[in-house]
Amino acid sequence: DQQVKQNSPSLSVQEGRISILNCDYTNSMFDYFLWYKKYPAEGPTFLISISSIKDKNEDGRFTVFLNKSAKHLSLHIVPSQPGDSAVYFCAASYSGAGSYQLTFGKGTKLSVIP
Amino acid sequence: KAGVTQTPRYLIKTRGQQVTLSCSPISGHRSVSWYQQTPGQGLQFLFEYFSETQRNKGNFPGRFSGRQFSNSRSEMNVSTLELGDSALYLCASSLIPGGGNEQFFGPGTRLTVL
Repeated sequence: DQQVKQNSPSLSVQEGRISILNCDYTNSMFDYFLWYKKYPAEGPTFLISISSIKDKNEDGRFTVFLNKSAKHLSLHIVPSQPGDSAVYFCAASYSGAGSYQLTFGKGTKLSVIP
Repeated sequence: KAGVTQTPRYLIKTRGQQVTLSCSPISGHRSVSWYQQTPGQGLQFLFEYFSETQRNKGNFPGRFSGRQFSNSRSEMNVSTLELGDSALYLCASSLIPGGGNEQFFGPGTRLTVL
């Protein structure tokens, strides 16, 4: 049972336009959400996170939106740059039982076309 | 500050053999988590260690084991290797246990089982 889903395996966007990556989750216990970016032959790099008490968090060109009622979050990248081309993973965790293990989606490969 | 290091970076083994992978967390980080990444399944949580104690374990068979040393370095071991164990094994460290805050990933060890 996949608790974190990224239904789009790939996305292509023109340079300068907005990239929107989506993520859905099923476990209502999740209370912290993160986005990671991964280049080939490297480990994932933390990008941005959001707590369930918020509905938006912004960091430069990156904004994450959380809709708890829909169990949906999205990552907006504006403007998109060719260097943003990578695989993006959505992850979720919950603090119950003293564990904060991350549950990842399968990733979305973003290609930003110059 | 040095990042998370993993050794070896690449490994080729044959079915039935065993393998040990090593991870050195960021200095000061006492929590280490291990993940398996495969093309079809994304990143899947293996286990998490804090202060030499396994705090949480993912849904993997007993052939997968790990440990953490007093200096926070961690090793994971896979015994009786199967073809399906071919994957990128990622180690992540964090300041406090778990993923409520961001985890910092190493570059991974690419294991190929022939």
